[in-house]
Amino acid sequence: DTGVSQDPRHKITKRGQNVTFRCDPISEHNRLYWYRQTLGQGPEFLTYFQNEAQLEKSRLLSDRFSAERPKGSFSTLEIQRTEQGDSAMYLCASSNPGQGAEQYFGPGTRLTVT
Amino acid sequence: GDSVTQMEGPVTLSEEAFLTINCTYTATGYPSLFWYVQYPGEGLQLLLKATKADDKGSNKGFEATYRKETTSFHLEKGSVQVSDSAVYFCALNTGANSKLTFGKGITLSVRP
Repeated sequence: DTGVSQDPRHKITKRGQNVTFRCDPISEHNRLYWYRQTLGQGPEFLTYFQNEAQLEKSRLLSDRFSAERPKGSFSTLEIQRTEQGDSAMYLCASSNPGQGAEQYFGPGTRLTVT
Repeated sequence: GDSVTQMEGPVTLSEEAFLTINCTYTATGYPSLFWYVQYPGEGLQLLLKATKADDKGSNKGFEATYRKETTSFHLEKGSVQVSDSAVYFCALNTGANSKLTFGKGITLSVRP
């Protein structure tokens, strides 16, 4: 297994457009997390899945954001009607359950909204 | 809510210098504590962790001890190398969801 992968690595879009990002976790991991990281800040939690079930969403995740993990494998994060404030690095991580379990991060998708 | 506070950066050291990066936390319950590192052009990777009070995590010459009495998890290394130049994040998680709460990160630059 080559680790967590994310696609695309970079996305430039105009304000008001919709964008979708994909994350492929490590295959044996049943937990998948999405985080957002802005310049000079640490990653902030957005949402997570246990298998195909979305179990928690942060208040950061407005109605314009939606995430899915339809078969408990890969996940998508869609942002509708993008705003300049959505510009950030979107990180995906996967892990097994357990408080001390290591989360393995993907390289991230850098979104720029112009 | 949970929070992590890291010392302000950036930090610039000469090779072989001693490194300390401070991290303190506020958490409900009993957190697990982590240090993640991000090398230039790479993704976040776990450096070390500790899951209960007085545990010491160690990896690649780095160490951090979980101090419940001072709610701290300071990162130390006795002799830094140029290859240690990176951004270092302190983080914690609590509870069943295991979501990570990160500090702001600190950039370390080591000069030859």
